Amino acid sequence: AQSVTQLDSHVSVSEGTPVLLRCNYSSSYSPSLFWYVQHPNKGLQLLLKYTSAATLVKGINGFEAEFKKSETSFHLTKPSAHMSDAAEYFCVVSAPGGSARQLTFGSGTQLTVLP
Amino acid sequence: ETGVTQSPTHLIKTRGQQVTLRCSSQSGHNTVSWYQQALGQGPQFIFQYYREEENGRGNFPPRFSGLQFPNYSSELNVNALELDDSALYLCASSPGQGARTEAFFGQGTRLTVV
Repeated sequence: AQSVTQLDSHVSVSEGTPVLLRCNYSSSYSPSLFWYVQHPNKGLQLLLKYTSAATLVKGINGFEAEFKKSETSFHLTKPSAHMSDAAEYFCVVSAPGGSARQLTFGSGTQLTVLP
Repeated sequence: ETGVTQSPTHLIKTRGQQVTLRCSSQSGHNTVSWYQQALGQGPQFIFQYYREEENGRGNFPPRFSGLQFPNYSSELNVNALELDDSALYLCASSPGQGARTEAFFGQGTRLTVV
């Protein structure tokens, strides 16, 4: 079984300050982990993915995440927030289970960027 | 290269009716998955199709069914609609079914059941 916990349902930062969105996972297998972003009335866009290579993963738009197995965490960070980063962010775990790849989503973190 | 497209974008149905949602997968992708996203929640896995066969299913009743066609496009059918079926339905395609493969999502179909 696999699960994802996003520790904050809402995060508010000022433009130009760092962003930290927290995610813990649980998986019976060696997991693949993803962060997706969802802007209002839009589909999901992949920000970055971890698939057992480097533990520090760089994604699009200046986002990065670090896989920490000992802490079962995969937190998303960005050094400097931009107004366009305001959106819903989902941490996702994917693990092989049978023949199908099932993505398990966290409940989401709503990021607000203040001017 | 075209992305994942879903139709219709919005739909209103009456309780008890049946609905069909459609998804065109990205070129070269043979795997399609469907997700239900209720308001304020993360998407929930409904089922996955790989080369026209359902090969994985989440915790959804049998009135949720699907098809995948030889061109890898897909349909999601929901019978006997209930008010709680109101949600955003997302389709995702990927070039394989492995856990490490990236899923590309469409913009979704917003279903409202009244």
